[in-house]
Amino acid sequence: DTAVSQTPKYLVTQMGNDKSIKCEQNLGHDTMYWYKQDSKKFLKIMFSYNNKELIINETVPNRFSPKSPDKAHLNLHINSLELGDSAVYFCASSQELFYGYTFGSGTRLTVV
Amino acid sequence: SQQGEEDPQALSIQEGENATMNCSYKTSINNLQWYRQNSGRGLVHLILIRSNEREKHSGRLRVTLDTSKKSSSLLITASRAADTASYFCATVAGTASKLTFGTGTRLQVTL
Repeated sequence: DTAVSQTPKYLVTQMGNDKSIKCEQNLGHDTMYWYKQDSKKFLKIMFSYNNKELIINETVPNRFSPKSPDKAHLNLHINSLELGDSAVYFCASSQELFYGYTFGSGTRLTVV
Repeated sequence: SQQGEEDPQALSIQEGENATMNCSYKTSINNLQWYRQNSGRGLVHLILIRSNEREKHSGRLRVTLDTSKKSSSLLITASRAADTASYFCATVAGTASKLTFGTGTRLQVTL
């Protein structure tokens, strides 16, 4: 019954590898997001999709490629991982402008 | 850059006391939201205040918004140990449909 679920919860990988994080929401929301939280707890938006269409791309390196096969899913693929990519990545969804977002529990990515 | 700055960065109080956190932002907003993040967990939406509202309550939470000063405050009354978490303000500007987060306040409530 989890509203926004993302997998995996933890991801440890070597530099140069490619990895994916998956996100699914069962709330019927139209918009989904990826946020990155760095080691200082700063949260920054990366991407936003509305009904499978990309609407926000916040100067994220091309190595990051989101994919939304349908409006309930938003996956994040990262190529050629770098040490600086280590962070917690949060998926979120929302329905309308005046409603709060629902966040997943996060994926802690560690690049070694 | 971050939209908002929050202060204090950290706050330690005893159970039963009130906790006040402040948030300042830089541009005109559509609404402002507050979120709680427990250690190692995701963010939980607490309350949303629209730009034409000045105050809002939800249980032990009271939020104020002063658009002329571009600032907001979150008051948690009669705090409990379970309120220990990081609290973030976040703004939505125009119809951008994206949250821009502040720097967060870490609240520690001790018994």
